[in-house]
Amino acid sequence: TQLLEQSPQFLSIQEGENLTVYCNSSSVFSSLQWYRQEPGEGPVLLVTVVTGGEVKKLKRLTFQFGDARKDSSLHITAAQPGDTGLYLCAGTAGGTSYGKLTFGQGTILTVHP
Amino acid sequence: SQTIHQWPATLVQPVGSPLSLECTVEGTSNPNLYWYRQAAGRGLQLLFYSVGIGQISSEVPQNLSASRPQDRQFILSSKKLLLSDSGFYLCAGSGPLASSYNSPLHFGNGTRLTVT
Repeated sequence: TQLLEQSPQFLSIQEGENLTVYCNSSSVFSSLQWYRQEPGEGPVLLVTVVTGGEVKKLKRLTFQFGDARKDSSLHITAAQPGDTGLYLCAGTAGGTSYGKLTFGQGTILTVHP
Repeated sequence: SQTIHQWPATLVQPVGSPLSLECTVEGTSNPNLYWYRQAAGRGLQLLFYSVGIGQISSEVPQNLSASRPQDRQFILSSKKLLLSDSGFYLCAGSGPLASSYNSPLHFGNGTRLTVT
C-alpha cells in the first residue's frame, strides 16, 4: 500500500508570511497532484507534476516534484487570507491503477489578516 | 470539462435505515468514477471505483456498496446504516481509462451524512 505523509497537519500564519507544505513517501509515484479544498466543497485541482525535479509556479504558489518522484512540496509566498483552506497532495502509481489516487492527510492552513 | 453533480448536500439518517447517494457526470463519456470518504476535513479514503457500466471495485471492506447503472451515474448504497458510516462522501470522476494515467479528479461538492 502506498502512503503519503503530509506535513505539517496544521499551519496558522499571519498575512504576508511564507510557508511550505511537504508531502513524502517511500514509494515512487508516476505523478503527484495538489488540491485545495474549502469547507463544504469538494477538492479542486491546483497542479499536476509528472517529471522528477519538475517545478511549477501558479502565481504565488510554487510546486516541486522530487528527483526520485517520492516527494513534493508546495511553497506559498506572501500568504493571503484567501489562501486559507485544506491542502491535499495525492499521488498516482500509474499503469493499471486506473487513475486511483492516494491522498495525504492534508494540511489545514489558516492565514490571519 | 467534466462536472460532477452530487446530492443531497446533507443527510441525517437513523441507524439501521437504508442509504442511497447519487452522483451524475456531465461533459465526459466513459469516465472513471470514484466514491471517497473524508473524515473531519482530512485526507480522502477511496471506497469504490468504476471504469465502466456495471464494473465496480471495492477498496475497503465496509457496510456500503456501489453501483453504476449508466455510464454517467454512480450510486453509493447501504441496506442498514451504522453509526460509523457518518462522514463526508465525495464523488469524483476522471477521464476514460486510456487518458486517465495522470488526469486530475473532478469532485462533486459532497454529501455530509450523519447517522443518529
